[in-house]
Amino acid sequence: DTGVSQDPRHKITKRGQNVTFRCDPISEHNRLYWYRQTLGQGPEFLTYFQNEAQLEKSRLLSDRFSAERPKGSFSTLEIQRTEQGDSAMYLCASSSVGRQGDFGSGTRLTVV
Amino acid sequence: RKEVEQDPGPFNVPEGATVAFNCTYSNSASQSFFWYRQDCRKEPKLLMSVYSSGNEDGRFTAQLNRASQYISLLIRDSKLSDSATYLCVVNDDFNKFYFGSGTKLNVKP
Repeated sequence: DTGVSQDPRHKITKRGQNVTFRCDPISEHNRLYWYRQTLGQGPEFLTYFQNEAQLEKSRLLSDRFSAERPKGSFSTLEIQRTEQGDSAMYLCASSSVGRQGDFGSGTRLTVV
Repeated sequence: RKEVEQDPGPFNVPEGATVAFNCTYSNSASQSFFWYRQDCRKEPKLLMSVYSSGNEDGRFTAQLNRASQYISLLIRDSKLSDSATYLCVVNDDFNKFYFGSGTKLNVKP
């Protein structure tokens, strides 16, 4: 297993477009997390899954954001009608219960 | 109030110096504690877990004070390669990870 992978690494989109990011966690990890990080800040929690169940969504996650993990394996994060304020690094992490999270390399989104 | 607070720095130290970072957390029910290292434009990587009795990994020593809700990281004999941002991470009782904003360390020759 090569760790957590995210795709794409970089995405430039025009304001108002929809974007979708994918995360493939470490296979034996049942928890998957999405975080957003802006320059000079630590990662901010967006949402997490245990297996296929989405257990919590942050208030940061407006109704333009949706995340899925349909079979308890990979996850997608979709942002509809992107805004310039959505520009950030989107990080995915996976973990087993009670253990540290392992992060993917992130998807850097730029909304122009 | 943020869940996890850190001094953002930067800490500018010469090679060979000892440097310490502190972090406080607000949720007394927090279960697990970690220090992550993040290089510029890279993802965070686990540096070490933090245990109640304190733990050491080479030049790095982590301490936890549950009563004061305080975590520390000590780096001895700083190397140029230690230059990075150090993130304090706290895992709550629902297993969510909360990050501090990070402390930037610059080790200079």
